[in-house]
Amino acid sequence: GAVVSQHPSRVICKSGTSVKIECRSLDFQATTMFWYRQFPKKSLMLMATSNEGSKATYEQGVEKDKFLINHASLTLSTLTVTSAHPEDSSFYICSARANRDYEQYFGPGTRLTVT
Amino acid sequence: AQSVSQHNHHVILSEAASLELGCNYSYGGTVNLFWYVQYPGQHLQLLLKYFSGDPLVKGIKGFEAEFIKSKFSFNLRKPSVQWSDTAEYFCAVNAGSQGNLIFGKGTKLSVKP
Repeated sequence: GAVVSQHPSRVICKSGTSVKIECRSLDFQATTMFWYRQFPKKSLMLMATSNEGSKATYEQGVEKDKFLINHASLTLSTLTVTSAHPEDSSFYICSARANRDYEQYFGPGTRLTVT
Repeated sequence: AQSVSQHNHHVILSEAASLELGCNYSYGGTVNLFWYVQYPGQHLQLLLKYFSGDPLVKGIKGFEAEFIKSKFSFNLRKPSVQWSDTAEYFCAVNAGSQGNLIFGKGTKLSVKP
């Protein structure tokens, strides 16, 4: 089956710094990648959708200048949390979708802790 | 706006009990429906999906789900659960051509050995 990886799996950073999270589709080309945020005891909330080679589409309420998304190739998308604050601490999950159907394949997630 | 409701937050069952997890969605058009499972410490995995055709869909590990269009429901079932089914289960809907998934809040299933 299709495999999506995320790096790092856990990261701790200080308030005010930036952190980059990578999402890679290992065995297929992902024309679309999605970034989600998962809160404790709550659902996954879609943050943005990114298509390779074009600007990401952000969901309402998600600050595009704070959560920078780049989808530079068909196998890599990055999420950069800029000027991180403790309230940005969360579990960030990416998913990737090839062009063939609507099934999304999920990465293992990245636990971000901002101190 | 599209939404997905999972009414049970936490379900506790003994092994061999039957399982049914409710999922209702709100969208009047054509939908694609999914159930995902997240085992402790692991990433989301697809259990089963419905795009069209037979409304009774069979997935991996003995799970099945039935799409009832008139009730806007896509309930997940398993006749006899095992301890290894302990996980969180998410229902999701993909409506329209965007491909975005709308997730329910998830149901945590705990199976007692």
